[in-house]
Amino acid sequence: GAVVSQHPSRVICKSGTSVKIECRSLDFQATTMFWYRQFPKQSLMLMATSNEGSKATYEQGVEKDKFLINHASLTLSTLTVTSAHPEDSSFYICSARDLRDYGYTFGSGTRLTVV
Amino acid sequence: GENVEQHPSTLSVQEGDSAVIKCTYSDSASNYFPWYKQELGKGPQLIIDIRSNVGEKKDQRIAVTLNKTAKHFSLHITETQPEDSAVYFCAASPSGGSNYKLTFGKGTLLTVNP
Repeated sequence: GAVVSQHPSRVICKSGTSVKIECRSLDFQATTMFWYRQFPKQSLMLMATSNEGSKATYEQGVEKDKFLINHASLTLSTLTVTSAHPEDSSFYICSARDLRDYGYTFGSGTRLTVV
Repeated sequence: GENVEQHPSTLSVQEGDSAVIKCTYSDSASNYFPWYKQELGKGPQLIIDIRSNVGEKKDQRIAVTLNKTAKHFSLHITETQPEDSAVYFCAASPSGGSNYKLTFGKGTLLTVNP
């Protein structure tokens, strides 16, 4: 089956610094990847849709200058949390759509803690 | 846009019993309905999905039913085991295009008591 690798799994950073999270589709090409944020005991909230070779589409209320998304190849999308603050602490999850069967495969998530 | 409602929010069953989780959706254009299992600290894992051209799909102890007329779909887990304990999410999406996004329900915390 389709596999999506997400790194790092955990990261702790100081307030004001930037953090990059990588999402790779290992055995399929993903023209579209999705980035979610999940707070404890809540559902996944879509932040943005990442399209290979073009600008990401952000959901309403998500700051595009704070959450930079780059999808430079068919197998890699990155999310950079810029000038992170404690309120950005959350569980970030990526997903890629496999056009072979139109299924969505999720990464294992990144626990970001900003101190 | 699509709206997915999921019930119940918590469900506790005894080992060996069945568990049923129900979802409704609002957008008649949705035709792909996956179910995900999420364990603590991990990403969601697909356990079963169904497309609108079928009414039921089964995979061992897990089954999903879909009623397109009523816009609802359900997850059925039989012979539950403690390792089935997790949060389960339903979702809906139109299929066909790569940009179509999933809309999730709020999740159901399933606890299987030994």
